Amino acid sequence: AQKVTQAQTEISVVEKEDVTLDCVYETRDTTYYLFWYKQPPSGELVFLIRRNSFDEQNEISGRYSWNFQKSTSSFNFTITASQVVDSAVYFCALRGGATNKLIFGTGTLLAVQP
Amino acid sequence: EAGVAQSPRYKIIEKRQSVAFWCNPISGHATLYWYQQILGQGPKLLIQFQNNGVVDDSQLPKDRFSAERLKGVDSTLKIQPAKLEDSAVYLCASSSGLAGLSGTQYFGPGTRLLVL
Repeated sequence: AQKVTQAQTEISVVEKEDVTLDCVYETRDTTYYLFWYKQPPSGELVFLIRRNSFDEQNEISGRYSWNFQKSTSSFNFTITASQVVDSAVYFCALRGGATNKLIFGTGTLLAVQP
Repeated sequence: EAGVAQSPRYKIIEKRQSVAFWCNPISGHATLYWYQQILGQGPKLLIQFQNNGVVDDSQLPKDRFSAERLKGVDSTLKIQPAKLEDSAVYLCASSSGLAGLSGTQYFGPGTRLLVL
């Protein structure tokens, strides 16, 4: 069965701190895709990144970086120098070949205090 | 490029009433999805369309939920009759090309439904 676990329910940091959001996944597929989405209070899910199972290169986009490690089935997301506008719920998601469904974790609520 | 549009944004109904949600995907996107997101949980897929055909509706409670995408563009999701446990945010998403693994889904703002 496919599963995504985001063990951190809520994280609170002070502005300018670095924060890492954890994501652990389970799948028997050899080909799959991993995603991160941001859901601000407005409710819309905003796409952040997509990685395929054959590309383990870490990626950096501005203050955001992602660490994909197949050996530990993890796809962690780090925000450097956090800002109040980063406050949102962040979802990790998996899409594999068996079901072709996008499976979401339960999300991590990030609160960045000024 | 315009994003996924949904209406209404909010809806309050009493149990046993019916309700309908509308979605307009990103122009040119062949694949359309409806998700249900209960408070504190991640979105759960209800139904997936490829053009105007249903690809997956295995998690759609068909005794009360129905969806259609008649012309392969806009879609409506209906609940009749509504139950208290249907209170949730209903999200519409779309992706380009075929409903393959790599297609990135882009989401609309959602419709928040409260059933009293």
